[in-house]
Amino acid sequence: QKEVEQNSGPLSVPEGAIASLNCTYSDRGSQSFFWYRQYSGKSPELIMFIYSNGDKEDGRFTAQLNKASQYVSLLIRDSQPSDSATYLCAVNGETGANNLFFGTGTRLTVIP
Amino acid sequence: DTGVSQDPRHKITKRGQNVTFRCDPISEHNRLYWYRQTLGQGPEFLTYFQNEAQLEKSRLLSDRFSAERPKGSFSTLEIQRTEQGDSAMYLCASSFSGRPQQYFGPGTRLTVT
Repeated sequence: QKEVEQNSGPLSVPEGAIASLNCTYSDRGSQSFFWYRQYSGKSPELIMFIYSNGDKEDGRFTAQLNKASQYVSLLIRDSQPSDSATYLCAVNGETGANNLFFGTGTRLTVIP
Repeated sequence: DTGVSQDPRHKITKRGQNVTFRCDPISEHNRLYWYRQTLGQGPEFLTYFQNEAQLEKSRLLSDRFSAERPKGSFSTLEIQRTEQGDSAMYLCASSFSGRPQQYFGPGTRLTVT
């Protein structure tokens, strides 16, 4: 059983600051890594995925992956109140594996 | 490009009743997944289809749960003899074969009284 651990938070940052969300995973065979955003009462929304070591940037979001340390993070620059949500880290297994394993999520609040 | 749709969005049922949920994936996606999410937890995988074939089932999926995808398009998830512990959000996701990204529908929130 794969384990995905996230800093449970809650995390509060002021508007305009950088929010840093962290995730570790147990299975060294994991190949793909995902960040989902989930607003209260809504379903998860895919915001980033990464599968190579290093950084991947998309707008204000940067995902960072370090497979040697089994660590993946999400940075949100210029945080906005609309970024307030729970962020879920998910991993799948070796190539072709089909289901995702999720952490319990980190609740982020951006304070205006 | 319409997203994943699920029906109903909310279901309240009495313990012991059977319920059925429907999921319509993104049209060109041939893979379909069911997850369950309880409060404060991440989604937990239940089962997965590629086209009409059910290829994987979680050990979490008791015998009271059954899922079908008869024509490789929409899928149904049935829960028989519901229990209070079945109360959760039931999420459907879909993906295109060869691409790992999964996209979720709005979910069906089940409350068993």
